[in-house]
Amino acid sequence: GEDVEQSLFLSVREGDSSVINCTYTDSSSTYLYWYKQEPGAGLQLLTYIFSNMDMKQDQRLTVLLNKKDKHLSLRIADTQTGDSAIYFCAESYSGGYQKVTFGIGTKLQVIP
Amino acid sequence: EAQVTQNPRYLITVTGKKLTVTCSQNMNHEYMSWYRQDPGLGLRQIYYSMNVEVTDKGDVPEGYKVSRKEKRNFPLILESPSPNQTSLYFCASSSGGQETQYFGPGTRLLVL
Repeated sequence: GEDVEQSLFLSVREGDSSVINCTYTDSSSTYLYWYKQEPGAGLQLLTYIFSNMDMKQDQRLTVLLNKKDKHLSLRIADTQTGDSAIYFCAESYSGGYQKVTFGIGTKLQVIP
Repeated sequence: EAQVTQNPRYLITVTGKKLTVTCSQNMNHEYMSWYRQDPGLGLRQIYYSMNVEVTDKGDVPEGYKVSRKEKRNFPLILESPSPNQTSLYFCASSSGGQETQYFGPGTRLLVL
């Protein structure tokens, strides 16, 4: 079945860039997502990328997709303490959220 | 205000006592899903629904039932809860495509 893998933990200093990595196994994935979960809250969609794109930039966020290696990354520029959260990578074939597979989440700790 | 509501937010119950967690959205979304979140396992999809009377299994449907009699509601039913269903449950809804999936605040369930 589909599998999405992420590292568990990342620690960065405030002002540095953060890079969170994800690998997935389903080559038919059409949509790839990054979600953010703050403590005690639900998930919030940060950004998504279609599988026919290599890169997407949205303000401080840059998503890179290497479809050949099935590798997805999220770069957060000028990381702030408010970026401390758990970040989930997810993939879907249809994009309609009919069948979504999430990674286990990467906890980002931003040190002041 | 666009939102997904879940009730109850916290529930402690005993093995075998049937329970229902309600989920309601006010955005007229077609797609709704239930997820459970467990430490080290991330989010796993339990069931999803593409419209009224259309539901399908996610990755971990065993021990759960759902129904979609109305577009706005998508209750999760545990007919005979067991301790391994102790978890944090999230309901989500979406209009589909690349639109964001809105998450409810979560229901923390403890089965003794």
